[in-house]
Amino acid sequence: DVQLVESGGGLVQPGGSLRLSCSASGYRFGGYAMNWVRQAPGRGPEWLSYISTGSLNIHYADSVKGRFTIFRDDARDSLYLQMNSLRDEDTATYYCARGPDYRLDVWGQGTTVTVSS
Amino acid sequence: SALTQPPSASGSPGQSVTISCTGTSSDVGMYNYVSWYQHHPGKAPKLLIFEVSGRPSGVPDRFSGSKSGNTASLTVSDLQAEDEADYYCSSYAGNNPVVFGGGTRLTV
Repeated sequence: DVQLVESGGGLVQPGGSLRLSCSASGYRFGGYAMNWVRQAPGRGPEWLSYISTGSLNIHYADSVKGRFTIFRDDARDSLYLQMNSLRDEDTATYYCARGPDYRLDVWGQGTTVTVSS
Repeated sequence: SALTQPPSASGSPGQSVTISCTGTSSDVGMYNYVSWYQHHPGKAPKLLIFEVSGRPSGVPDRFSGSKSGNTASLTVSDLQAEDEADYYCSSYAGNNPVVFGGGTRLTV
């Protein structure tokens, strides 16, 4: 089965850092673009970042540009999101999702990040 | 959210329900890249509809999508108990990031 599993979420203080991981299985990870999407409580999803195959193209939402970094390790079938300078408003469930941003055909179950002092 | 959805919808088993998703001439109205996702809380969101009306393999044909102007719609026919979930639309927006709706909770 095609599957994505996120990990790395937790409680972090404002200004802190966290690295999320997304482990892929059941398909050739390196052949697909990947994204991070988050959803704050009571709100709709928010696209955060995109990375193409081969890491040739990378894009960020303005809300995280300069603070978050997306990268991938195709040898490990894994996607990452390095999150620095975290703010209260970054509190959300974070999902990795496969595909172009307008057609996310596989999602993980998400990992929860809580930013609070 | 950039796309507007009704917060809730409901129907009885066997009935049909339509959920709307209203954007602008810069997203929904301009591009045929509207997707719909089903999300049972605690589980992975699932792609239901892509490119306005396309259905990934494995998605029942009870789910259908359409678009008119700046508004896209998802219709769920022959409602079943397992259709009770949150539904989100999204749209490509050109040089801007993809935009999502605020979600609609469907009660069966």
